[in-house]
Amino acid sequence: EAQVTQNPRYLITVTGKKLTVTCSQNMNHEYMSWYRQDPGLGLRQIYYSMNVEVTDKGDVPEGYKVSRKEKRNFPLILESPSPNQTSLYFCASTLAGEDTGELFFGEGSRLTVL
Amino acid sequence: GQNIDQPTEMTATEGAIVQINCTYQTSGFNGLFWYQQHAGEAPTFLSYNVLDGLEEKGRFSSFLSRSKGYSYLLLKELQMKDSASYLCAVLNTGGFKTIFGAGTRLFVKA
Repeated sequence: EAQVTQNPRYLITVTGKKLTVTCSQNMNHEYMSWYRQDPGLGLRQIYYSMNVEVTDKGDVPEGYKVSRKEKRNFPLILESPSPNQTSLYFCASTLAGEDTGELFFGEGSRLTVL
Repeated sequence: GQNIDQPTEMTATEGAIVQINCTYQTSGFNGLFWYQQHAGEAPTFLSYNVLDGLEEKGRFSSFLSRSKGYSYLLLKELQMKDSASYLCAVLNTGGFKTIFGAGTRLFVKA
């Protein structure tokens, strides 16, 4: 089954404790992206990657890091989480060059930073 | 700047028709998307418009006017399961950057 898988789905952590949210897709998509979703603000892009070893900042990259060592994986790293990073995070992918650029989303990771 | 506007909430009755509007101002345009998002779930793709006009897909239709920076999503024969948020999103040129509006929460009542 074609899917984007995120882990963990739910996480409560404390300020400053490094964490990684994993994202994996099995559709051989070149393009992957991370979004955060906050009430009233919609989905905001954190980082995206056009292909292996190619990443770029989105609109709200501060406090986050990413890597793209393999085509299928695109982990989101919070080196020193802070309470303002409490949010619902979505990973998404699409086939670069595809006509529509339709995004396929993971199920979301709800992160709470105390 | 880049901006996508859509109403925050709408309410409609089961069996009726509802139109959700979206206006956008973005630097570059490579298509407009509508996604549906049920509470606590991931967004799912509904429609894509890159040329002016109406695209129909079952009960859902989407319209685009590039000169006016305007789109709408039309939902016919509303069902209770259509209660969800509807996200308008614009794909920028030069980099696969998709910008989302804040979403319209639709309540369908019996």
